[in-house]
Amino acid sequence: KQEVTQIPAALSVPEGENLVLNCSFTDSAIYNLQWFRQDPGKGLTSLLLIQSSQREQTSGRLNASLDKSSGRSTLYIAASQPGDSATYLCAVQGGGNKLTFGTGTQLKVEL
Amino acid sequence: EAEVAQSPRYKITEKSQAVAFWCDPISGHATLYWYRQILGQGPELLVQFQDESVVDDSQLPKDRFSAERLKGVDSTLKIQPAELGDSAMYLCASSSRLSLAGGTDTQYFGPGTRLTVL
Repeated sequence: KQEVTQIPAALSVPEGENLVLNCSFTDSAIYNLQWFRQDPGKGLTSLLLIQSSQREQTSGRLNASLDKSSGRSTLYIAASQPGDSATYLCAVQGGGNKLTFGTGTQLKVEL
Repeated sequence: EAEVAQSPRYKITEKSQAVAFWCDPISGHATLYWYRQILGQGPELLVQFQDESVVDDSQLPKDRFSAERLKGVDSTLKIQPAELGDSAMYLCASSSRLSLAGGTDTQYFGPGTRLTVL
C-alpha cells in the first residue's frame, strides 16, 4: 500500500525567505506526482504536476523536483509572501488515476 | 473557467440523521471522485466513477455510505445514519478520462462540503 509522508508538518518563515517542503513515498511505481495548495476550509488547487519521466517542473516562484527511484519530491518556494500561507499537499498517482495524498505541510509566511 | 460545483458548502446534522452531498463535475469529464478529508489529514478516496459505473469503492463504508451517478454527469453521496466520526470535509473531483494503466490526467477539485455531526 502506497504511503506518502510530508515533512515538516508545519513551518513558519519570515516574508522573503526561500523554503523547501519535502514529500516522500514508499512505492516508486507511480505515474506522476502533484503538489496542491489548500486554503483553510477550501478545496484543493493544483500547483504543479511532474510526470514520472520528468525530474522537475517550474511555475513562477515554485519549483518541484522528483526523484522517483528514491521516492522523494521537494517543492521549492522562492521569495515567500504572506499570500503563500496555506497547507501544501503532495499526492502520487498510481494505476486507475488513483491519488494518494500526504498529510500536508501547513505554511505560514509572516510579515 | 469551468469548475467543479458542490453543494451544500456547509452541513450540520445530528448523529443518526441522513445527509446528502451533491457534485457537478466539469462538463465533459467522464471520471468523478469523492474524497473525505479529516481535519489535519490528506484526502482519502471514497469512490471513483467512470461515467455512471463505479470503478473503485473499496474505501467506502458501505454499511452507511452510498454514492450514485445515474446519468454519468452529476453525483450524490449519501450517509445514513451519520456518526460523529463522519465529521470531515467531503471533496469532489473530476478528470476528463480514466486510464486504467495509469496516466497523467489532472484531477480538478471542487470547494468541498464541510460536514459537522453533533
